[in-house]
Amino acid sequence: AQSVAQPEDQVNVAEGNPLTVKCTYSVSGNPYLFWYVQYPNRGLQFLLKYITGDNLVKGSYGFEAEFNKSQTSFHLKKPSALVSDSALYFCAVRDRGGYQKVTFGTGTKLQVIP
Amino acid sequence: EADIYQTPRYLVIGTGKKITLECSQTMGHDKMYWYQQDPGMELHLIHYSYGVNSTEKGDLSSESTVSRIRTEHFPLTLESARPSHTSQYLCASSEWGGQSYNEQFFGPGTRLTVL
Repeated sequence: AQSVAQPEDQVNVAEGNPLTVKCTYSVSGNPYLFWYVQYPNRGLQFLLKYITGDNLVKGSYGFEAEFNKSQTSFHLKKPSALVSDSALYFCAVRDRGGYQKVTFGTGTKLQVIP
Repeated sequence: EADIYQTPRYLVIGTGKKITLECSQTMGHDKMYWYQQDPGMELHLIHYSYGVNSTEKGDLSSESTVSRIRTEHFPLTLESARPSHTSQYLCASSEWGGQSYNEQFFGPGTRLTVL
């Protein structure tokens, strides 16, 4: 069975500082990994994904994520946080084989403080 | 904005009523999903579909049912609503084509309150 862990329920960061939202995963084979963002009273929006190749993936709104196979992690990062980045962030994983469903993490609330 | 629509956005009904939550997408996606999410909490997959006439139950047991008669339409029905069904329901779709790395596009959600 595949699983995703987001160890922090909430992350607080000052505007202009770098931010990191953590994600670790467990799958039986090589993973596809995703990050989504959810603003209040909205559905989720896709940010970025890792399929293969370069371990550093760049996505929307200046976000990037680093795939680390040895640590089974896919942390979301941004060099300089904006107040508008405050939202709920979800990591998701899918095994490459068969018809596996996507498994979402429990979400991390990011609060950027002005 | 993704071309996936949900109606109604908000619904307040009494116990025992039958309701249908609508979801439509104009992207021609094969795969569609329904998730249940309490506010600010994790998503729970309740139903999914790989295409017309294909529906499967998800990870979370649900008293709802779904149908997929047309590619673009994936309605969810509750035959008899109860207060425990109060939640937000998110619909999503993705391309299939044999590839499982395609991201999902989400609708804005339906917030359901059962009194």
